Amino acid sequence: GAVVSQHPSWVICKSGTSVKIECRSLDFQATTMFWYRQFPKQSLMLMATSNEGSKATYEQGVEKDKFLINHASLTLSTLTVTSAHPEDSSFYICSAPTGGFPYEQYFGPGTRLTVT
Amino acid sequence: DAKTTQPNSMESNEEEPVHLPCNHSTISGTDYIHWYRQLPSQGPEYVIHGLTSNVNNRMASLAIAEDRKSSTLILHRATLRDAAVYYCIKMDSNYQLIWGAGTKLIIKP
Repeated sequence: GAVVSQHPSWVICKSGTSVKIECRSLDFQATTMFWYRQFPKQSLMLMATSNEGSKATYEQGVEKDKFLINHASLTLSTLTVTSAHPEDSSFYICSAPTGGFPYEQYFGPGTRLTVT
Repeated sequence: DAKTTQPNSMESNEEEPVHLPCNHSTISGTDYIHWYRQLPSQGPEYVIHGLTSNVNNRMASLAIAEDRKSSTLILHRATLRDAAVYYCIKMDSNYQLIWGAGTKLIIKP
């Protein structure tokens, strides 16, 4: 199956700093990628839809100025958490659909962000 | 509401079949049912999807009720590695997966 990677797999940062998370589709092109956040013992929550060459679409309640998404190529989307705070600590996961409708989605392994 | 309804948790013995139910009473005629699973501290993994007919692949089988208001994911012979949270999901009109709480499957050796 298709492979999606994320980097880093985990990161610890200090409050007020910014962190960039990369999501790559390794063996297919992804014009669309999805970013999710998952808190412990909870389900995935869609944050935004990343579109190659255009602005991301954010879900209601997600601050677009805080969670910057850049989808500059067909294989790479980045999520930057700006001015991170402890409440931003979470498991961040990206996915990309592949193939024709109804689109299987392939997920990255996730990035564990801890803000101290 | 686009979410589905699943039991919070289920237990099964190793090497026995597992039937994971899902209710999706608000499904429309063109909505596909997708199943994904998530092992601890990992990203979700695609399992199977279907529309009307029963579907089989190397991982599982999907049985869809004739009225499409429910479906059952069948793991034919569960192993310890199948312990995970299983999500039954409808895909919305924007091709986004709408995640419910899922079923935590516990496999007893």
